[in-house]
Amino acid sequence: QVQLQESGPGLVKPSETLSLTCTVSGGSISGDYWSWIRQPPGKGLELIGYIDYSGSTNYNPSLKSRVTISVDTSKTQFSLKVNSVTAADTAVYYCARYRDSGYYFDYWGQGALVTVSS
Amino acid sequence: DIQMTQSPSSLSASVGDTVTITCRASQIINSYLNWYQQRPGKAPKLLIYAASSLQSGVPSRFSGSGSGTDFTLTISSLQPEDFATFYCQQSYTTPLTFGGGTKVEIK
Repeated sequence: QVQLQESGPGLVKPSETLSLTCTVSGGSISGDYWSWIRQPPGKGLELIGYIDYSGSTNYNPSLKSRVTISVDTSKTQFSLKVNSVTAADTAVYYCARYRDSGYYFDYWGQGALVTVSS
Repeated sequence: DIQMTQSPSSLSASVGDTVTITCRASQIINSYLNWYQQRPGKAPKLLIYAASSLQSGVPSRFSGSGSGTDFTLTISSLQPEDFATFYCQQSYTTPLTFGGGTKVEIK
C-alpha cells in the first residue's frame, strides 16, 4: 500500500519561498508521476505540477514561473518550492501519485495547510 | 486550458436517494474523465476513472458515464458516508484540470 506524507513549515511570510516535501513509502517512485495539488480554504483543487523518476517535470502554466518540483530517488521523496508567495498561495497542499497507466490520481497525502502571513 | 464545469454546485438529498452530478468539458476529452470524493478535512479519494471504471474498493452504488464533453456521476441509494464534495478531473491534456465541485448535503 503506497502512502504519501507531506512535511514542511505551516507558516510562510509574504515574498518568501514555500517549501514542502512528500515522502513516499510502501512502493517505488520509479514509474508514474508524482504530483502537487493545492486547495485554497473553501475552494476547489488546482494542479501545481508533477515530476517523474528521471526528473522530468510538467508545471501548470499559471504557476510555472514561481514553482520548482524536484525528486530525490534515494530518499523516495519529492519536493515543492513556490517562490514570492502571497496570501493567495494560502492553501492545503497535497502530494499525490498520478498513475501513468491510467491517468488518474490514486494515492494522496493527508494534506498540509500552508498559511502565508506576516 | 480545458474548463470543467460541474452542476449543480450543491444539492440536498436524503439517505436512500439516487443522486446525479454532471460534468461538462469545454472541449472533447474522449473518456479521460475521473471522479473524486472529498470528505471534510480529508484528501480526495478516487472513485471512477476513464469515465466509467470503478476504482478498486469503491462501492458499486457509484457509477459514471459519458464521453466527449458530457459526463455524469450517479450515486444509487445514498448512504450517510456519501455526504461529501465530488470533483471531476480531465486527464486528456495538460494542464490537468478539475471541476469546481458539487457538495452533497443531507436534506
